[in-house]
Amino acid sequence: ETGVTQTPRHLVMGMTNKKSLKCEQHLGHNAMYWYKQSAKKPLELMFVYSLEERVENNSVPSRFSPECPNSSHLFLHLHTLQPEDSALYLCASSQGLSNTEAFFGQGTRLTVV
Amino acid sequence: AQTVTQSQPEMSVQEAETVTLSCTYDTSESDYYLFWYKQPPSRQMILVIRQEAYKQQNATENRFSVNFQKAAKSFSLKISDSQLGDAAMYFCAYTGSARQLTFGSGTQLTVLP
Repeated sequence: ETGVTQTPRHLVMGMTNKKSLKCEQHLGHNAMYWYKQSAKKPLELMFVYSLEERVENNSVPSRFSPECPNSSHLFLHLHTLQPEDSALYLCASSQGLSNTEAFFGQGTRLTVV
Repeated sequence: AQTVTQSQPEMSVQEAETVTLSCTYDTSESDYYLFWYKQPPSRQMILVIRQEAYKQQNATENRFSVNFQKAAKSFSLKISDSQLGDAAMYFCAYTGSARQLTFGSGTQLTVLP
């Protein structure tokens, strides 16, 4: 138990579906992140939120839409995804953005069919 | 841009033996942090050990220690007295002034009974 909870753990969706991934952290952190983990590739940072403001977008396609309503919750809204978007999506949180370790959730295994 | 390289996609070690995982990184910064994360089959990324670049002393955490060679930009992880529970994917990571974690591609460690 690391204090970062992701739901659902597994998700299968069609290319025309709309779904959302949820992340909740109970650590009192003020920064949250979405990472994408594909097979045999380094983790890719998708979005960073600090104090409810998005501060980073690494050229992620617009079919991924993050939402951070407060410092404890982070969502990733998905729509019209492609099969190559199938991956493990990891949420993380940290106290501040600078040089502190991130605490990760267990991820959502997403399969796009 | 910073890069992190893990040249060993897979490693194996006999239970109770010692294994060293390699990591090199490329940066022009002088102040940064390095991490080793472990990802077991449960998929949750867990911080194993952390090293501040300004510290000359190598970090240690119980059976885990690092060999930090700043001039060579090398950051290897040594696991002593390996246990079956150490089997996992290990990721080396860097964070500096950009304030985001950059991960290597990982090393899959198998512990043989």
